[in-house]
Order: sequence, then C-alpha cells, then structure tokens
Amino acid sequence: DVKVTQSSRYLVKRTGEKVFLECVQDMDHENMFWYRQDPGLGLRLIYFSYDVKMKEKGDIPEGYSVSREKKERFSLILESASTNQTSMYLCASSLGTGIYGYTFGSGTRLTVV
Amino acid sequence: SQQGEEDPQALSIQEGENATMNCSYKTSINNLQWYRQNSGRGLVHLILIRSNEREKHSGRLRVTLDTSKKSSSLLITASRAADTASYFCATDHTLAQKLVFGQGTRLTINP
Repeated sequence: DVKVTQSSRYLVKRTGEKVFLECVQDMDHENMFWYRQDPGLGLRLIYFSYDVKMKEKGDIPEGYSVSREKKERFSLILESASTNQTSMYLCASSLGTGIYGYTFGSGTRLTVV
Repeated sequence: SQQGEEDPQALSIQEGENATMNCSYKTSINNLQWYRQNSGRGLVHLILIRSNEREKHSGRLRVTLDTSKKSSSLLITASRAADTASYFCATDHTLAQKLVFGQGTRLTINP
C-alpha cells in the first residue's frame, strides 16, 4: 500500500516562528499536494507539485511556500506563523492527474499561539 | 466556485439502514471521487467514477453519476457503526488538474 507520512501529528508553534511541515510518500508518485482543513470551509488547496523542483499555487498560497527537492518529499513552509494558520494540514499524493485517486497522510494539527 | 456541495451536511441513521449522500458540482469533470475521513485523521479514497460512467460498485458502496444534472450520490448499504465518519466528494475538473473537495457529510451510525 502507498504510504504518505506526515512528520508530526500535533504541533504547537509561536507567532512569528518559521514552521516546516514535512511529507514523504513511498510509491514514486509524481503529484503531491498540501491542503488545509478548517470547520465550515472544507479542504482548501495551498500548493501542489507535479514534479521535482516544480510547484504551483493552489487557492490559498498566501503566507506559505513549498519545497520539493526530491520526488518523495514535499515540504510546506510557514514563513512567519500567524494564529490564523492554526489548522489541520493534510498532505496527499497521486500517480497522475485525471484518473487516479489521492492518498492522504494522517494530517498535522498545527496550533499557533 | 467549482467546489462541490454535499447534501445533507449531517445524517444520523440506525445500524443496518442504508445511507445516501449527494454531491452537486458546477463545471465539467474528468471524474468524481468519494473519500471518507474518520475524526481527526486523513482522508481515505473510497471510489472513483469517470465522467463516462453512470454507476459503480465497491463492496457495500454504490456511486451514481449524472453529468446532465451535475450530481452524484453515494449509497452505503447495511450500515455499520464503523461507517461513522465524514464523507467528501471531490471533483477532478477538465481544466483544473486538481481535485476540488466539498465540505462533506457527517454520517453517524447509531447502534
């Protein structure tokens, strides 16, 4: 089975800190995605990547950046954490677009205080 | 917005009954997918139905797609307590190259 592993289940950070959320997949998937999930707002796409060193903005990229130096790893970076970035962050990967489902990690619940 | 909308937002039924959830969307799709999320966890892919398919089955799951009405339904038959979760539809739009998720239906199965 494909596994998508997110480095932390729970994380508490202070306002202004630089935060790194790591995601690793083990099945050579081309595509990787970062979503955030908030009550009443559903899942919103932050960034995605179709290949190494490639990135595309999603619907809410402001305040975030990403890095994909290796195919299996997709990192989400909060440049200067703010309280409105308190959320559940979900990483996903897929083999291709248009015909495959996504495999999600277990999520990282980030609290910014 | 391309976002799909699930209906109802919440559903509570007795164990053994069937559960039906609906999803509507606005623009052309390549496929539509359903996911399950247990509380506080990641999403799990359940089933994918392509735009040229009308119905698909997987175990106790039945998904229908009506592209003329831009809607889909997920039927879970003979529900179990373990089916308690949130269910999301996600649409893969023709030009978007990404999945767009609805806000989900919260399903509770009462023993």
